[in-house]
Amino acid sequence: GAGVSQSPSNKVTEKGKDVELRCDPISGHTALYWYRQSLGQGLEFLIYFQGNSAPDKSGLPSDRFSAERTGGSVSTLTIQRTQQEDSAVYLCASQVGGTGYNEQFFGPGTRLTVL
Amino acid sequence: AQSVSQHNHHVILSEAASLELGCNYSYGGTVNLFWYVQYPGQHLQLLLKYFSGDPLVKGIKGFEAEFIKSKFSFNLRKPSVQWSDTAEYFCAVTSSGNTGKLIFGQGTTLQVKP
Repeated sequence: GAGVSQSPSNKVTEKGKDVELRCDPISGHTALYWYRQSLGQGLEFLIYFQGNSAPDKSGLPSDRFSAERTGGSVSTLTIQRTQQEDSAVYLCASQVGGTGYNEQFFGPGTRLTVL
Repeated sequence: AQSVSQHNHHVILSEAASLELGCNYSYGGTVNLFWYVQYPGQHLQLLLKYFSGDPLVKGIKGFEAEFIKSKFSFNLRKPSVQWSDTAEYFCAVTSSGNTGKLIFGQGTTLQVKP
């Protein structure tokens, strides 16, 4: 079966522009996570979805970041007014259940470069 | 807040050498522990995990890790590395009963020379 997919794979944008990053989780996985991987910061949790709701948004770095999930499936991470410090690889992961006991399956990531 | 510390940032070994990558976490409650690996150009994938029971867990590709509760450690080991083990390795922790979000260490880049 298909794994987690993300699009685009690469995104170059100018400072101040808005960007949308997409994640398609594994079918049937109710839990979805966004992480960010950047030099110097490592891998950081951003937001967790269970179904369409986001009970944990504690990792979003500022109010320029938002995310939604529709139909319990696809998720979109939106960054408004991008800054150079937003440059990173954004990873999506999905999981059965949404607890600490199950494996998270990661997508290939979207590499965002803000010029 | 929970945190994970990986002591080695960059390790270079020759093939057949033994490997041990250190991982310590800070959390006083019950934790679930993971090692993930990212091979060049590939996705993050799970190597092994510990939830409870035998503190010595075995994963894929001959890797194992030992949970030592008194030391808050979960070190990764492999008796004899291969060139194909060249990758970045991440230790991660979740706390039981939470949302399952992973708290990652900074990662260790392993380079195995043929």
